Amino acid sequence: AQSVTQPDIHITVSEGASLELRCNYSYGATPYLFWYVQSPGQGLQLLLKYFSGDTLVQGIKGFEAEFKRSQSSFNLRKPSVHWSDAAEYFCAVGLYNTDKLIFGTGTRLQVFP
Amino acid sequence: GAGVSQSPSNKVTEKGKDVELRCDPISGHTALYWYRQSLGQGLEFLIYFQGNSAPDKSGLPSDRFSAERTGESVSTLTIQRTQQEDSAVYLCASSLGREGEQFFGPGTRLTVL
Repeated sequence: AQSVTQPDIHITVSEGASLELRCNYSYGATPYLFWYVQSPGQGLQLLLKYFSGDTLVQGIKGFEAEFKRSQSSFNLRKPSVHWSDAAEYFCAVGLYNTDKLIFGTGTRLQVFP
Repeated sequence: GAGVSQSPSNKVTEKGKDVELRCDPISGHTALYWYRQSLGQGLEFLIYFQGNSAPDKSGLPSDRFSAERTGESVSTLTIQRTQQEDSAVYLCASSLGREGEQFFGPGTRLTVL
């Protein structure tokens, strides 16, 4: 069955530090991959998505993610974290020929000044 | 409206009562999705509507859950005989269709006492 794993439940970083959030998926074909962010009391907002082509994807707010087929991973990165990046981040897989998304359990990011 | 709206924002009910949750998608979006987010869990797919096609109900957890959509407009998620384990945030999303970005509403927080 398809699944998404976000191994880090909670990550704490200092403002200005670099960030990498991990995401691994299990799916029998090339998936559509997404990262969403959920700020407290807010709905989910799409940060970036990968459908095909260049495996390094740029998103909003200075985030990027790299699709690595050999590792079944789609890790999210940011070179310098801002305090406003504190939120919960969800990785998701879109299944081929459907529009359903399978979400990971999320990673909560805390940013210290 | 500018985005997906959901009502009510909060709902507290007693065990055994029925509840209705409403979603107003973005105008023109043919696809509509319901997800459930339980405490400490990722988002769980519930049901998906696409145009006039039969809905994909594969994520509904029991026959107490049902949903309807009027054309390409409003959707209502109904939970009958609510149980405490139904307590969660119910999120609605809409999109232009296949491979379209899903835009999420703010959610309805349901508490079953």
